[in-house]
Order: sequence, then structure tokens, then C-alpha cells
Amino acid sequence: AQSVSQHNHHVILSEAASLELGCNYSYGGTVNLFWYVQYPGQHLQLLLKYFSGDPLVKGIKGFEAEFIKSKFSFNLRKPSVQWSDTAEYFCAVKASGTYKYIFGTGTRLKVLA
Amino acid sequence: EAGVAQSPRYKIIEKRQSVAFWCNPISGHATLYWYQQILGQGPKLLIQFQNNGVVDDSQLPKDRFSAERLKGVDSTLKIQPAKLEDSAVYLCASSPLTSGETQYFGPGTRLLVL
Repeated sequence: AQSVSQHNHHVILSEAASLELGCNYSYGGTVNLFWYVQYPGQHLQLLLKYFSGDPLVKGIKGFEAEFIKSKFSFNLRKPSVQWSDTAEYFCAVKASGTYKYIFGTGTRLKVLA
Repeated sequence: EAGVAQSPRYKIIEKRQSVAFWCNPISGHATLYWYQQILGQGPKLLIQFQNNGVVDDSQLPKDRFSAERLKGVDSTLKIQPAKLEDSAVYLCASSPLTSGETQYFGPGTRLLVL
């Protein structure tokens, strides 16, 4: 069965620090990969997604993620975080040709001003 | 463009009572999803509709949960009877067929079962 692991449940960083949030999935076939973000008091929204092509995907607000097929990973990165990046981040996976999305447990990021 | 609407935003009920949640997706979106998000966990897909047909309900506890999407627009999710472990946020999301499967989420309904 598919599963998604986000190993960091809580991350605290100072402004301008670099960010990397881990996401690993278990599925041997072709997958579609997503990062969603939920800012305090707001809805879940898409940050970026990967379907095919260049494994380095750029999203909104300076975020990027790299798909490494051999490692079954899709880690989220940002070179310099801001206080406004404080949010909960969810990785999600969908096996191509299926309807089912699997979300990770989320990582709560707190950025200190 | 109006977003996904959900009501109510909060609901407190006692166990064994029934409850219903409503979702109105973004206009023109063919696909509608219901998720359950228990505190400290990620969203878990309960059911997915494409227009008014069910495409996946493998994780829906069918002995107590039911959902419908009449006329392929808005949808209701019902729990009858509720259990303590149903306390969660129930999220509705929609997506158009051509969006590359980006989901647009509503604000959710926070359910507390006492």
C-alpha cells in the first residue's frame, strides 16, 4: 500500500535560515507529487507539484522541491525563510492512473523573527 | 472566483447522534473530495466524486458514513451514528478535470463528538 512519511513533525528556524523538509513515499510505480501549505487560519493550498519532466520544481513564494526517484523522495526547500512562512506543510502522493491521494502527517514550521 | 464553501464551520454533538456537512465546490469543478483530518495527522481521503459518480470510497466507513453529490454540484457528508473517534476536521476540496489535479480546499468543518 502507498504511504507517505514526513520525518520532521516540528521545525523551528530563525529568519533567513535555509529550510529543507523531508518527504518519502512508498510506491514502485509512477507518481504525482505535491506539497500543500496551510497558513494559520487559512485553507490548505497548493505550494508546488511534480508530474513529469524536470525533477526540480519551483513553486510559489520561493519554494522548490526535488524529486529523486531512486530515493523515493520529494523534499521541499527554501534558501531563506521568512516569518510569514510559519505554517503547516503537507506532502501528498498520488499514484498515476489511480484516484487516491495519500497525505503525509505534516510538518509544523515556526519561523522566529 | 469564489472558493470552496463548507458549512457548518463547527459542530458539537454527542456520540450516537447524527450530523451532516455540506460542501459547495468551485463552479465548474467536476471532481469533489471529502477528507477527514484527525488532530496531528494529515488529511485522509474518504470519498471522491467525479461529477455525480463515486470514483473512490475505499476508505469511507460505510456502516456509519454516507455521502452524495446530487446533480454533480454540491455534496453532503453524513455520519450516523457518530462515535468519539469521529472528532476531526472534515475537509472538502474540488478540482477541475484540466487543472493537473490541483485540489482547492474549503475551510473545513470542525466536529467534536462528546
